[in-house]
Amino acid sequence: DAEITQSPRHKITETGRQVTLACHQTWNHNNMFWYRQDLGHGLRLIHYSYGVQDTNKGEVSDGYSVSRSNTEDLPLTLESAASSQTSVYFCASSESGASGNTIYFGEGSWLTVV
Amino acid sequence: AQTVTQSQPEMSVQEAETVTLSCTYDTSESDYYLFWYKQPPSRQMILVIRQEAYKQQNATENRFSVNFQKAAKSFSLKISDSQLGDAAMYFCAYRSGGAQKLVFGQGTRLTINP
Repeated sequence: DAEITQSPRHKITETGRQVTLACHQTWNHNNMFWYRQDLGHGLRLIHYSYGVQDTNKGEVSDGYSVSRSNTEDLPLTLESAASSQTSVYFCASSESGASGNTIYFGEGSWLTVV
Repeated sequence: AQTVTQSQPEMSVQEAETVTLSCTYDTSESDYYLFWYKQPPSRQMILVIRQEAYKQQNATENRFSVNFQKAAKSFSLKISDSQLGDAAMYFCAYRSGGAQKLVFGQGTRLTINP
């Protein structure tokens, strides 16, 4: 079955280190998204991509970057991890075309910055 | 920018009774979609129900139904015959007609009392 997977599922890192969270989907979806979830804020959009070589900033993009070199993957990089980036990160994907298409979510990556 | 507001951080209901979760949104667009997502303790994001703004009829999925008041920009979720498995965090979300990304509310934690 097609799916969307995130790795690692849990990570503890130190302040200032570079961290990359992987997201891989097998649906061949053009659209991919990264959200973070924090108490009291719901899910907030970090970056998104509508296709290979396309990346866009979301609501809370400072300190994060993404690259899209193929359809299946959208890795999220924290260039210099900060304690404020301790959060649960969700990757998601959807088909192109009708904007009512369902968005599929990964299971989340728990990141703790100490 | 569009915003989504869930004014009830927590709700509780007795098993088998009915509960309504509130959601309001702010937009100047006429073409959009609204969603309710369920997030159980596993953190998985599960689509509960969706509503197209151009449809006047309220969406229904089994025990879940919405009250969509377009003029008031209100989109509440009614859960009938509440079950223990309904206990979760519920998120209201908005998507523009011309875009793919979702804007989420802050979430409402629903507790089901046996």
